[in-house]
Amino acid sequence: DTEVTQTPKHLVMGMTNKKSLKCEQHMGHRAMYWYKQKAKKPPELMFVYSYEKLSINESVPSRFSPECPNSSLLNLHLHALQPEDSALYLCASTDRGQGEQFFGPGTRLTVL
Amino acid sequence: LAKTTQPISMDSYEGQEVNITCSHNNIATNDYITWYQQFPSQGPRFIIQGYKTKVTNEVASLFIPADRKSSTLSLPRVSLSDTAVYYCLVGDGVTGGGNKLTFGTGTQLKVEL
Repeated sequence: DTEVTQTPKHLVMGMTNKKSLKCEQHMGHRAMYWYKQKAKKPPELMFVYSYEKLSINESVPSRFSPECPNSSLLNLHLHALQPEDSALYLCASTDRGQGEQFFGPGTRLTVL
Repeated sequence: LAKTTQPISMDSYEGQEVNITCSHNNIATNDYITWYQQFPSQGPRFIIQGYKTKVTNEVASLFIPADRKSSTLSLPRVSLSDTAVYYCLVGDGVTGGGNKLTFGTGTQLKVEL
């Protein structure tokens, strides 16, 4: 299984809602990533987990809260988002820090 | 910070070779250079990775000069299905020591018959 899955595929939420994005991989990869991608822009790194520990937080606002419950699963908890947070949220994993990243299809988030 | 820049767009015809260059003047010793392809509404897909000199795989070649301040992705004999956005990614993947992982500005490649 060389796939990274992300759920949901689409999400619409209000600014007062709490929601979560889920990412899963069963390739035994020990590094997992969250990226944010706005339309016609490159992905921007948000968080990196290495061996289930947060190793990089790229100064992301606290309304985004990552969680890595186990080596296969990565969550992104969302609370009090702003309309400008609307974007495609991509998850990726790799078996080594500098290696090929396997990306999921993304969650298209719209904040109203 | 490794600021990475690419041409915004390129046009080509089927069967031609396409070369896309990425400029990364502030690359650090720990940084690798990786290229990805992205289709609309999909996640990026790995093409090739290198550190220095030349790397070749079954789909592409990557040329990196000695100073590593740029890199060139070469796609031999492109087809219509190669129409996509191509990104270079430069940086240190997990714990730092190098630069933050940063995608280039992206190049929209359009291949026509």
